[in-house]
Amino acid sequence: QVQLQESGPGLVKPSETLSLTCAVSGYSISSGYYWGWIRQPPGKGLEWIGSIYHSGSTYYNPSLKSRVTISVDTSKNQFSLKLSSVTAADTAVYYCARDPRPYFDYWGQGTLVTVSS
Amino acid sequence: SYELTQPPSVSVSPGQTARITCSGDALPKQYAYWYQQKPGQAPVLVIYKDSERPSGIPERFSGSSSGTTVTLTISGVQAEDEADYYCQSADSSATYLFGGGTKLTVL
Repeated sequence: QVQLQESGPGLVKPSETLSLTCAVSGYSISSGYYWGWIRQPPGKGLEWIGSIYHSGSTYYNPSLKSRVTISVDTSKNQFSLKLSSVTAADTAVYYCARDPRPYFDYWGQGTLVTVSS
Repeated sequence: SYELTQPPSVSVSPGQTARITCSGDALPKQYAYWYQQKPGQAPVLVIYKDSERPSGIPERFSGSSSGTTVTLTISGVQAEDEADYYCQSADSSATYLFGGGTKLTVL
């Protein structure tokens, strides 16, 4: 069974960089599929952030592309998200998920990141 | 820009049929996907490629497509089906889009 687990700071200061990692178990990232990040502000809907292949090929949401970097570490079977210059609008639950393109079949439980000084 | 439009809310009584629609100009050319999200939980995929059901999803969940509208149908709604439902698709540049979500209330 594929399992994903997000980790990272729950509080980030405005203008700083949000960094999260998603650890994958039950499946080797190197075996295929894209792997993605999705976020959900409190009480609001879902927003795709971007996805990455094990080779490092990435696709980003154009609305966030200038601030997003997604990377993969196949040796640790994990992938990561960096979102720069954060504001209160970036406060959200961040999910990682497996991406068979163009949808998500396995999701992590999500982690709340609050942007506040 | 391309959008997916869902009704904010749908209400049905137990045992009835719930239909949740999702409209978007690219839907005739792109598949739609549906997720169920219960409070405090991650979304769960309930329909993929317009009408396919993942293993483990009850048969009462079905999907259909007609022109620019796709529909998630839940037959014989149960109390446990009360949740938010999101449609999702992609545009021609492979940007993934989600609908705004529909809150299903089981009366």
